[in-house]
Amino acid sequence: SQQGEEDPQALSIQEGENATMNCSYKTSINNLQWYRQNSGRGLVHLILIRSNEREKHSGRLRVTLDTSKKSSSLLITASRAADTASYFCATDVNDYKLSFGAGTTVTVRA
Amino acid sequence: GAVVSQHPSRVICKSGTSVKIECRSLDFQATTMFWYRQFPKKSLMLMATSNEGSKATYEQGVEKDKFLINHASLTLSTLTVTSAHPEDSSFYICSARGRRVRGTGSPEQFFGPGTRLTVL
Repeated sequence: SQQGEEDPQALSIQEGENATMNCSYKTSINNLQWYRQNSGRGLVHLILIRSNEREKHSGRLRVTLDTSKKSSSLLITASRAADTASYFCATDVNDYKLSFGAGTTVTVRA
Repeated sequence: GAVVSQHPSRVICKSGTSVKIECRSLDFQATTMFWYRQFPKKSLMLMATSNEGSKATYEQGVEKDKFLINHASLTLSTLTVTSAHPEDSSFYICSARGRRVRGTGSPEQFFGPGTRLTVL
């Protein structure tokens, strides 16, 4: 069953702006991962943050994790048209299965 | 990152036929492979987990006789949709995970590009 819920469901921004999306989950986790999916394609792993980490950066991506609130955020800075995609959070609950959120569809307008 | 391939990328079949989808890890040994199903504009739903050499573990509500999974080697898992019907039309995605190394937590899953199944 799905554990994560993402917010917003859809986001439309201008190129160069920042995009922020949030993910909430229900049970304790080992780690939380963010993935990107271009339309009709497979998933690309973006970043993994462990339960004992609070913030992680990778290029233009910044992920935070608040285990007390059971939530995570993904920030994409200086967005580009190529960032247009759906973004999913996934929680690793029992160390081998991933549970995916519903996803946020991001559209970056040129 | 590691590469996982799926074949075919797209398949159209008639109702009642069976369809086999292959998932291969190209540059690592996948001790565990996962099969997901994704409906349009929806999230991925885990269908089953397969470990090399053993029977797959199916998620609740997934018919094991309908979706046959074989993980015959460390680089190949197959999903066969038997007697496919239009409601089986979906995007099927596999992922593969390598051997866990103690102290490093759960190893990363690498996803295939997906297979679009359309049943007429």
